[in-house]
Amino acid sequence: GAGVSQSPRYKVAKRGQDVALRCDPISGHVSLFWYQQALGQGPEFLTYFQNEAQLDKSGLPSDRFFAERPEGSVSTLKIQRTQQEDSAVYLCASSLVPQALRAFFGQGTRLTVV
Amino acid sequence: SQQGEEDPQALSIQEGENATMNCSYKTSINNLQWYRQNSGRGLVHLILIRSNEREKHSGRLRVTLDTSKKSSSLLITASRAADTASYFCATDQSGSARQLTFGSGTQLTVLP
Repeated sequence: GAGVSQSPRYKVAKRGQDVALRCDPISGHVSLFWYQQALGQGPEFLTYFQNEAQLDKSGLPSDRFFAERPEGSVSTLKIQRTQQEDSAVYLCASSLVPQALRAFFGQGTRLTVV
Repeated sequence: SQQGEEDPQALSIQEGENATMNCSYKTSINNLQWYRQNSGRGLVHLILIRSNEREKHSGRLRVTLDTSKKSSSLLITASRAADTASYFCATDQSGSARQLTFGSGTQLTVLP
């Protein structure tokens, strides 16, 4: 596609439920990033993939968060046993180069945990 | 945690006026980028300035960088109602070009 696509756009989960958020990056982009954006704040880094390798997961807030990119294209961010504090917009971005430069962002998935 | 602060948090101007937003950061950087975010949308890359550059222009945008003060400014000239959005600066740190660290953003409203 022409841009980074994320699905679903909106997700409401009951506390304790597991969720999976999908990101389709721009074809051929080496780098893929996940960010978490709380209301009224700037995005915060979660994790980075270079092709299929997860090179940096230092931003994942707990072991309930897991991300994968098994074939170096589509990525999934999974949150287990969701908590209310997980409510946020989850943004995916991709970049042609193995650096965080001129990244293209998706529209995000708004997760609400009730 | 976020890298730094953006100032002001909110800015409201009339169409045709110039808008200036400032960003401060805490650590040495490789590059500083500015992104724009319309309500409910993803971020759009506007401009990148490298740590060895002091000023850069792109259309109606002018970015300055002062590494001694660890600060940057974004100037939008001749603003339009369509410029209404949140603007974020983002840095990638020296030695680690894999993460972007965003500021808290400036909400710009341009009144027609």
